[in-house]
Amino acid sequence: AQKITQTQPGMFVQEKEAVTLDCTYDTSDPSYGLFWYKQPSSGEMIFLIYQGSYDQQNATEGRYSLNFQKARKSANLVISASQLGDSAMYFCAMREVPNTGGFKTIFGAGTRLFVKA
Amino acid sequence: GAGVSQSPRYKVAKRGQDVALRCDPISGHVSLFWYQQALGQGPEFLTYFQNEAQLDKSGLPSDRFFAERPEGSVSTLKIQRTQQEDSAVYLCASSLSGSSVAGELFFGEGSRLTVL
Repeated sequence: AQKITQTQPGMFVQEKEAVTLDCTYDTSDPSYGLFWYKQPSSGEMIFLIYQGSYDQQNATEGRYSLNFQKARKSANLVISASQLGDSAMYFCAMREVPNTGGFKTIFGAGTRLFVKA
Repeated sequence: GAGVSQSPRYKVAKRGQDVALRCDPISGHVSLFWYQQALGQGPEFLTYFQNEAQLDKSGLPSDRFFAERPEGSVSTLKIQRTQQEDSAVYLCASSLSGSSVAGELFFGEGSRLTVL
């Protein structure tokens, strides 16, 4: 069953504007972690930001912030002051504890962001 | 190097050949993951190791796929009798943590497999 949903296959944003990338998730575990990764055209996956399920405050990392709405099971990424270098694929991911033990991380299908000059 | 290293970066195989993809994680990282990423798609989980123990292999698409991490460091993903649908980028990631939902994944550059 799909557990991470990213409903926006592609998004356009004007340079210097803010953009929100949507992510919803599904889990019955009380403890989980939510992550966003960036994948430029070069292919490497770059970690951006992390939010724990018990964290009271929304995570922020520089121009990135995570809008965490636990009751709605949503973890949207907000990028402020977009730059041309932000053009990339963005993946939402969740780390949970399966019955088998360990900590499995699953990814959404991604959103391709295009920043226009 | 300090990052996750994968080899080969590119592999072209004829249908029916066996291939082996290597992953050298960051030293000391407990967790190691293999993912398969088709073009334009998100990474799909294949398997997960905590040290040398393979705790989850539920994502392996068939019994032609096999992964090991015998000494808890380097891992190898082996694909037997390759098929065209196996063509993808195979990503390896490691994480320091083996007991917390926190801790980001550090990815290698991937091994791009093309099966002709």
